[in-house]
Amino acid sequence: DSGVTQTPKHLITATGQRVTLRCSPRSGDLSVYWYQQSLDQGLQFLIQYYNGEERAKGNILERFSAQQFPDLHSELNLSSLELGDSALYFCASSLGVQGYYGYTFGSGTRLTVV
Amino acid sequence: QKEVEQDPGPLSVPEGAIVSLNCTYSNSAFQYFMWYRQYSRKGPELLMYTYSSGNKEDGRFTAQVDKSSKYISLFIRDSQPSDSATYLCAMSAGDYKLSFGAGTTVTVRA
Repeated sequence: DSGVTQTPKHLITATGQRVTLRCSPRSGDLSVYWYQQSLDQGLQFLIQYYNGEERAKGNILERFSAQQFPDLHSELNLSSLELGDSALYFCASSLGVQGYYGYTFGSGTRLTVV
Repeated sequence: QKEVEQDPGPLSVPEGAIVSLNCTYSNSAFQYFMWYRQYSRKGPELLMYTYSSGNKEDGRFTAQVDKSSKYISLFIRDSQPSDSATYLCAMSAGDYKLSFGAGTTVTVRA
């Protein structure tokens, strides 16, 4: 157990729907990162939050949004889902705002859009 | 051209063999280099971490970084079936972001 908890583990939903993925970071970590992993794109950085504030954005679609709450857990909201959004979504956490010493990843949420 | 290139394999070796994995990169600002191991249906876990050029050894694992060639390697000695996984290289310029390779799938045959 890495200490980063993601729920749900699996999600199957229809095109056009909206889903929320949840992440609890490792105890003491203030940064949360969201990554998307697909077979053809590998691990792609989506967004980072540090202590409740958005710090960096990657290749995140406008249909996607995230937030980090005062208790430091984070949610990734995906709306108007398309078939191409099917992927593994990972949350990771680190102590500081800079993650260059490596993150701790959760086990991921496997999203299937049908 | 991708920022980090990694041959996806797959790589199949007999138990006890040396596994050799590598990545090349284009961003000369990268200074921090990592290797992650990802088992099927699990999240990546940090295996090795190296700063700048040089070698680092941890048990059966050796990581090498050659910044002049923009090339990093991971060697696994005396490979075991439990080493069967996908190995991802990752690197950072010292900010928030890690740039990952595509991952190499390794199978160690008993």
